[in-house]
Amino acid sequence: EADIYQTPRYLVIGTGKKITLECSQTMGHDKMYWYQQDPGMELHLIHYSYGVNSTEKGDLSSESTVSRIRTEHFPLTLESARPSHTSQYLCASSDNYGYTFGSGTRLTVV
Amino acid sequence: EDQVTQSPEALRLQEGESSSLNCSYTVSGLRGLFWYRQDPGKGPEFLFTLYSAGEEKEKERLKATLTKKESFLHITAPKPEDSATYLCAVQVYNQGGKLIFGQGTELSVKP
Repeated sequence: EADIYQTPRYLVIGTGKKITLECSQTMGHDKMYWYQQDPGMELHLIHYSYGVNSTEKGDLSSESTVSRIRTEHFPLTLESARPSHTSQYLCASSDNYGYTFGSGTRLTVV
Repeated sequence: EDQVTQSPEALRLQEGESSSLNCSYTVSGLRGLFWYRQDPGKGPEFLFTLYSAGEEKEKERLKATLTKKESFLHITAPKPEDSATYLCAVQVYNQGGKLIFGQGTELSVKP
């Protein structure tokens, strides 16, 4: 039973399009994160939030932006998609005991 | 710089052949070490958290141990359904709960 939901699961989109990847959690966690993962590579943190109206950039530079207007919702937006944005995007939330990850969005920009 | 290195990158086992995965870390102050399992096309699934050297945790055929420099994930008598990528991550003090991941070990168990 998933407590953190990501949509869409798969997305193929043309260069220059604006896209928003959705992430919602039902656990009431204050902390939420976006990680980027390329095949066979480690997860890299691109954005995080400590609560409503809090957003920070992560360790890996990203052209995406995020917002946190509600505790349960942490969407990621790419204003103009490029082939270099092709990757898997994983959303997570955490409390003092650990992280819960969503199933991810596999993005392909053609 | 905080760093996590996993070895081997890939491991192929026969069903029932026990082995261990290694996670070496260099961090400024370890708050916790996490093990995750990741199946293809899915997000990581939580397995264990270890907080201090000497700590051990078990779940079915898996046992995780922690020293001051590394962690091991021991797999006893593995089955094909244990095939997955196993990820190690560390959480460091004063970095707001962020996880730093290793690149993972891809485990394949053949019947």
